[in-house]
Amino acid sequence: QITLKESGPTEVKPTQTLTLTCTFSGFSLVSSGVGVGWVRQPPGRALEWLALIFWDGVQRYSPSLKNRITVTKDTSKNQVVLTLANLDPADTATYYCAHTPGGVTFFDFWGQGALVKVS
Amino acid sequence: SALTQPASLSGSLGQSITISCTGTGGDIGNYHFVSWYQQHPGQAPRLIIFGVTTRPSGVSSRFSGSKSGDTASLTISGLQADDEGLYFCSSYTDSGDFLLFGGGTRVTVL
Repeated sequence: QITLKESGPTEVKPTQTLTLTCTFSGFSLVSSGVGVGWVRQPPGRALEWLALIFWDGVQRYSPSLKNRITVTKDTSKNQVVLTLANLDPADTATYYCAHTPGGVTFFDFWGQGALVKVS
Repeated sequence: SALTQPASLSGSLGQSITISCTGTGGDIGNYHFVSWYQQHPGQAPRLIIFGVTTRPSGVSSRFSGSKSGDTASLTISGLQADDEGLYFCSSYTDSGDFLLFGGGTRVTVL
């Protein structure tokens, strides 16, 4: 059974850097094709795709955030870490991590989400 | 830019509704990587369609997907009360090699 869970601060100040950790189980991030991505959702608004890291370390980033965002993995801990720099109140959102079985295609398992407020 | 969905749709119990998702030739029009997600209040999105037409295991056959040109569609047949919620489409885009989401459609069951 695949599960993911986000953890990190619930409130951060503008201009600071946000670090969120996704801890997962039920799959390995060394399996060919597998990836873990991040999606956020401002309150009452649409989903926004942020980033994705694959089993082989390849990363993909949203063009609109490319200068501020980094995603890394620690396969020994079954964790993926998202870093978002120079925060603005517009970054207030629920941040989800999710599993993809392959490619920049879809997410089949999602974490419960972590609400982060920037103020 | 985001994929275009109607903001809201409604239907009576037992009826069918179809949610459209319009993109461009750089996403929906040229790629088979369209997916749909259902989201209930306070919950994470749930995958209900991937690869335009494929339902994951456990998803009701009342949900079906299709695509024509630059527009994808999700049809919900035999509407049930539990179908109320938000529905988002998503597609791969070659304008940056990432996933686009639609603005979401709120479905109300009358």
